[in-house]
Parts: sequence; structure tokens; C-alpha cells
Amino acid sequence: RKEVEQDPGPFNVPEGATVAFNCTYSNSASQSFFWYRQDCRKEPKLLMSVYSSGNEDGRFTAQLNRASQYISLLIRDSKLSDSATYLCAVKGRGSTLGRLYFGRGTQLTVWP
Amino acid sequence: DTEVTQTPKHLVMGMTNKKSLKCEQHMGHRAMYWYKQKAKKPPELMFVYSYEKLSINESVPSRFSPECPNSSLLNLHLHALQPEDSALYLCASSQVPGTTDTQYFGPGTRLTVL
Repeated sequence: RKEVEQDPGPFNVPEGATVAFNCTYSNSASQSFFWYRQDCRKEPKLLMSVYSSGNEDGRFTAQLNRASQYISLLIRDSKLSDSATYLCAVKGRGSTLGRLYFGRGTQLTVWP
Repeated sequence: DTEVTQTPKHLVMGMTNKKSLKCEQHMGHRAMYWYKQKAKKPPELMFVYSYEKLSINESVPSRFSPECPNSSLLNLHLHALQPEDSALYLCASSQVPGTTDTQYFGPGTRLTVL
């Protein structure tokens, strides 16, 4: 079983739409959770860290559900510039200290 | 400033060549990482350095040889690579390899092995 499972999509949505991505993780002892955004042929860039019960940054809301072991990313009022691949990442503890496990990424295309 | 720099941006090499990738950060981070990313795949961890010491090697073939000369620099020496090693090589850094610190990525080196 993979450490992190993520629906690869693709998601194709019109401008202004609300879109949500989910990611599940297998290690219940995982401590840190992140969403990265990756544009084509570029490096992953941190979008949001997800701590405790989640957090919001403008149009982006990230949530963590420890009981069900999943994190989510909600994008409201989608913009053309939101088109990218969104990677969830989970960091373990103990023997996996320092190791970041990535989901396979969800591709989002926002069309006009 | 959360900047990690990598050189070169692009590299084409033959299977008999020896080359090196370089990574630098000036954020005072004490953990540095090498990842390999193939098209439409997530980054795959290769090596982790913690306080300039190699702490994780993900069973990477010996044709890849990492080096951490000091806390700001990370190199990846390449020798006798195969065409399937062509990929985007990403460097990242974080404050310490703890459970909550965030990893910041450099722009990557796009490697093509002929």
C-alpha cells in the first residue's frame, strides 16, 4: 500500500468554479502535511502547510482529518492561473524522520 | 527569502561522461535533499543530508554520488549514467529534518543522458 494516495485527475473546471482535491495517507503517526503546486517543467512550490484542524489562505482552504487519515485542498473562485499539478505531501516521524512522501499529483486545468 | 539555487538548469551528457549538479541555499537550513522526478510522476527521494552528514540513501545506484561540502552546498556527482536516468533533479532544503519543518525546492536541473 502506498504511503500517500491521490486522485491524479485530470480536473477540468471553468473559471470561477470551486474544486476540491483529496489525499489519503496510510501512516497514522504522520505529523506534518503539505500541499505543493507544480507548474509544467518547474519545481514544486509550497502552497500551504496543513496543521491541526486545517487552515485557510485566501481562496485556498486545506483541511486535515486525522480520524479518516486524509487531507483536502479546496480552491474557490478558480482562476486561469490556478492551472497546475497539485501535490500533497506527508512527513512521517520516528524512523522516517525527514522523509517526505508525495502523492502522485492532481492535474487541474481551469478554462475560460 | 526561501531560495534554493541549482546549477546547471539543463545538462546533456553521454553515458561515459562525469558531471556534477550543484545546489546552494543561504537560509541557514541544516537539512538538504536530492530528489529525482520523471515526467508526470511525483518527486522521488534519493538522499538526505542532516548537519552535513548523509542520513538517508534510498538505495540509489552508485553512479550517483552525493557530497555536502558545507551547510550551504550540496553536490550530486554523476558518472556512467544510463538513458533511463534522464529526469528533473531537484534539490530541497529545510531547517532541520524534523517532523514539522517545510522543504523548499530549487528550480531543478533537467538532465538528459544520451
